[in-house]
Amino acid sequence: GQQVMQIPQYQHVQEGEDFTTYCNSSTTLSNIQWYKQRPGGHPVFLIQLVKSGEVKKQKRLTFQFGEAKKNSSLHITATQTTDVGTYFCAGRNRGSYIPTFGRGTSLIVHP
Amino acid sequence: SAVISQKPSRDICQRGTSLTIQCQVDSQVTMMFWYRQQPGQSLTLIATANQGSEATYESGFVIDKFPISRPNLTFSTLTVSNMSPEDSSIYLCSVVAEGDTQYFGPGTRLTVL
Repeated sequence: GQQVMQIPQYQHVQEGEDFTTYCNSSTTLSNIQWYKQRPGGHPVFLIQLVKSGEVKKQKRLTFQFGEAKKNSSLHITATQTTDVGTYFCAGRNRGSYIPTFGRGTSLIVHP
Repeated sequence: SAVISQKPSRDICQRGTSLTIQCQVDSQVTMMFWYRQQPGQSLTLIATANQGSEATYESGFVIDKFPISRPNLTFSTLTVSNMSPEDSSIYLCSVVAEGDTQYFGPGTRLTVL
């Protein structure tokens, strides 16, 4: 079945440093979604990428979808302590509403 | 967007008992799911709650252990039956709303002693 690998599992950064998490799928995806889960909270939808090579930005967050629609990345510029949490990617195959979640990347920002 | 509420938000239960978790959505949705998330882990899909028919369970999850009801398009329940400490986890209700966006409820934190 489909697998979505996400790395790294943990990332410690100093406030102000950049951060990137990567997702790779074993199959070509229809779309990929990104979520943020704060400590003690639930996953909150950030964005969905659909098109090959798509790049979307939300303030300091940049999301990319690979040309082959098998990989994606989330990049945060100049991290802040409010960015702390676990970031999950979730990939969907064509015709399915059920995504496969990556294991998540936990971001720890040191002030 | 979809606003999801879950009850209870947390519970501590004795082994061998059962707990029913409720999920209420503020709008009618076709797709509703139940997930489990163990501490520090990713989300594992338990089942898809189908309105008017039996839920569709993922590999490793069975109806006898996790019976699900979906009486209408805004409400579902998940029961964790005959609980053991291994069932301690966060249980999350989720829906797919407009634009194929998936929303999650606040979760139910279950501890089984």
